[in-house]
Amino acid sequence: DAKTTQPPSMDCAEGRAANLPCNHSTISGNEYVYWYRQIHSQGPQYIIHGLKNNETNEMASLIITEDRKSSTLILPHATLRDTAVYYCIARSVEYGNKLVFGAGTILRVKS
Amino acid sequence: DGGITQSPKYLFRKEGQNVTLSCEQNLNHDAMYWYRQDPGQGLRLIYYSQIVNDFQKGDIAEGYSVSREKKESFPLTVTSAQKNPTAFYLCASSIGTSTWGREEKLFFGSGTQLSVL
Repeated sequence: DAKTTQPPSMDCAEGRAANLPCNHSTISGNEYVYWYRQIHSQGPQYIIHGLKNNETNEMASLIITEDRKSSTLILPHATLRDTAVYYCIARSVEYGNKLVFGAGTILRVKS
Repeated sequence: DGGITQSPKYLFRKEGQNVTLSCEQNLNHDAMYWYRQDPGQGLRLIYYSQIVNDFQKGDIAEGYSVSREKKESFPLTVTSAQKNPTAFYLCASSIGTSTWGREEKLFFGSGTQLSVL
């Protein structure tokens, strides 16, 4: 089971970059890292995923260390609407490749 | 407008009653999932289905049942055997590829809040 470890909460000033860390030291070589976020009482929303290279899309950037034991999600200019729970997920080989969600990081963006 | 529709948004269950949560998708996805979320917690997998007429148990399947008679539908029944059913229930789907799980981006519905009367 490729478990992930995230800090329980983080604060970020509006307009600044939010850097959310994730440790996944037991991840297998062919397992992707996914990031989702969940705004209160809604379904999680996909943000980005990657295998070994850094990735960027319109929402965020994903930086994966060379040894793939950790990654960082970067929201370049955080807004109040980015306040949410952010989940870092690695696929679980034990459960036939399904995504296993942990408790995530509560990101509070403050004005 | 493609997506996943869950209904109802709020549901109340009486003691000893079975209730069914609906999940419909028009994304033409093969794989569908049910997750349970308790307050302040992450999501836990209840059941998943990779293809029509087939499904597997997840982490916490006891007290729940599912069916997958159509590709677009994956209803979840919370039975009376589930003694603590109060939770937020989320349905999701993914494309489901021949190389199962290598890139499984999930699309979620908006959830159903189930409470016990």
